[in-house]
Amino acid sequence: QKEVEQNSGPLSVPEGAIASLNCTYSDRGSQSFFWYRQYSGKSPELIMFIYSNGDKEDGRFTAQLNKASQYVSLLIRDSQPSDSATYLCAVDRGTYKYIFGTGTRLKVLA
Amino acid sequence: SQTIHQWPATLVQPVGSPLSLECTVEGTSNPNLYWYRQAAGRGLQLLFYSVGIGQISSEVPQNLSASRPQDRQFILSSKKLLLSDSGFYLCAWSRPGGTEAFFGQGTRLTVV
Repeated sequence: QKEVEQNSGPLSVPEGAIASLNCTYSDRGSQSFFWYRQYSGKSPELIMFIYSNGDKEDGRFTAQLNKASQYVSLLIRDSQPSDSATYLCAVDRGTYKYIFGTGTRLKVLA
Repeated sequence: SQTIHQWPATLVQPVGSPLSLECTVEGTSNPNLYWYRQAAGRGLQLLFYSVGIGQISSEVPQNLSASRPQDRQFILSSKKLLLSDSGFYLCAWSRPGGTEAFFGQGTRLTVV
């Protein structure tokens, strides 16, 4: 079992819709959870992070964490074509090591 | 503000040649430093991380090594490159205590 798993996609959503990206992790000791966006050929850029169970909102982005289910998700409201990218989920077990999933490719259709 | 510099941006090297990629961070002290590799269409694989000068942890046995000669400098090296070393190499840093990581612009290495 991979430490961090994501559906590779592509996930296609129409412009203006909500995109829902999911990630599961295997280590119950994981403490911090991160979402990165990576455009083709570019380095990952941090969107947001979450430590506690529940929701965390930042603009059009909402991260949701459920530690009991070992599940973290990212919702993107009012999706725009510029949101088309690969979204990487990362987990930190408190050991200063960030373990990444393989990413979900999102396509927002104009 | 903190910035991370990574160079070169692209590199084409023959099999068997040496490699040296350099990464420096500005605007912070005692950062945690990381080297990741991303093969085509794959996720990020953690290669090395360092929590201080001279302290290097290797995650994956391979043809590569890392060094941290100064607090904000992290170097990835190889004595002899293999075809399988091709990929997108990313340096990253985080604050002490392990908060979120920030990436450099990456080096695209092609071994021919």
